[in-house]
Amino acid sequence: SQKIEQNSEALNIQEGKTATLTCNYTNYSPAYLQWYRQDPGRGPVFLLLIRENEKEKRKERLKVTFDTTLKQSLFHITASQPADSATYLCALEGDTGRRALTFGSGTRLQVQP
Amino acid sequence: EPEVTQTPSHQVTQMGQEVILRCVPISNHLYFYWYRQILGQKVEFLVSFYNNEISEKSEIFDDQFSVERPDGSNFTLKIRSTKLEDSAMYFCASGGGYGYTFGSGTRLTVV
Repeated sequence: SQKIEQNSEALNIQEGKTATLTCNYTNYSPAYLQWYRQDPGRGPVFLLLIRENEKEKRKERLKVTFDTTLKQSLFHITASQPADSATYLCALEGDTGRRALTFGSGTRLQVQP
Repeated sequence: EPEVTQTPSHQVTQMGQEVILRCVPISNHLYFYWYRQILGQKVEFLVSFYNNEISEKSEIFDDQFSVERPDGSNFTLKIRSTKLEDSAMYFCASGGGYGYTFGSGTRLTVV
């Protein structure tokens, strides 16, 4: 069956360090992989999209990698700040032509000052 | 920055009643979606809408649900005969080709 797994429900790091979040999937062939941020009681906020033929994408302090052989994406936040504390969601799009997003359960990141 | 607007932010309804959740997507987007998130669970896809018709739907989106784009700006989700298990946050989203913009959601509580 299809499955998306994000590492550990929660990740605690010190301010200034790099946070690395993992998204693994099985039995999918996504055309795109997206990362979203979700704060409590709010809707997901789009951060980055990476295509199946791309290895890496960067935006300011954010970096995403995508390995379609390993079926894994890594999401990095460098120089983390307490304001980065949120739940980060991995989402797959484009499997068998579908545009609907399939979300992972998320990783809750806590950045300690 | 353009936003997706959802109303109401909270809705409490009696079991068996009908509710309509409303959304104003971003005007130049072509794809519109409804997702839901039961408390503590994943965000789940319900339905997508393109070119004035449903383009995809999940197994959750059964005959109890319907969507409509009654005019050029609004996009609605109707839930008929609500059940306790319909209690969730419902998110509207729209997309123009690079990521999706989600609204802040409607928290539906069925009592």
